[in-house]
Amino acid sequence: AQSVTQLDSQVPVFEEAPVELRCNYSSSVSVYLFWYVQYPNQGLQLLLKYLSGSTLVKGINGFEAEFNKSQTSFHLRKPSVHISDTAEYFCAVSMDSSYKLIFGSGTRLLVRP
Amino acid sequence: DAGITQSPRHKVTETGTPVTLRCHQTENHRYMYWYRQDPGHGLRLIHYSYGVKDTDKGEVSDGYSVSRSKTEDFLLTLESATSSQTSVYFCAISDGEETQYFGPGTRLLVL
Repeated sequence: AQSVTQLDSQVPVFEEAPVELRCNYSSSVSVYLFWYVQYPNQGLQLLLKYLSGSTLVKGINGFEAEFNKSQTSFHLRKPSVHISDTAEYFCAVSMDSSYKLIFGSGTRLLVRP
Repeated sequence: DAGITQSPRHKVTETGTPVTLRCHQTENHRYMYWYRQDPGHGLRLIHYSYGVKDTDKGEVSDGYSVSRSKTEDFLLTLESATSSQTSVYFCAISDGEETQYFGPGTRLLVL
């Protein structure tokens, strides 16, 4: 069965520091990969997605992610975080024509001044 | 929220009562999804629809039913609510492409 693993439940970081949120997935077929962000008491907002082509994907708010097929990973990075980046981040994969999403358990990014 | 509304936004109910949550979209998208969000589990798919009157089960469908009588509305029903169904419920839509857009969520508390 397909699954998504976000090993870090919470990542504390100081403002202006770089951050990496890890995501690994298990699948024997081609996948589409997504990162969503959820601010407190809100719905999910698409941050970026990988469908095909270049393995480095750039998203909104200065985030980027790199697809690594051999390591089945799709880690999210930002070179310098802001207080406003404090939120929960979800990695998700989609593997068939119904585009059903399988989500990881989420990583709470806590940016401190 | 890409033209998606959910109602009610908050609901408190008692065990054993029926509950219906509504998702309404103004985007004319074909696909609609219901997820539940619980701490430590991320979001899990309950049911989805790929057209009017066309629905299918997701990962955690037990205790839930859905209906879609028109393109813009997707209803999620808990026939007899249980405390384990206390959760935040999200609706999502897709136009048949790979990206889903999410509604604001409904917070349900079953006492």
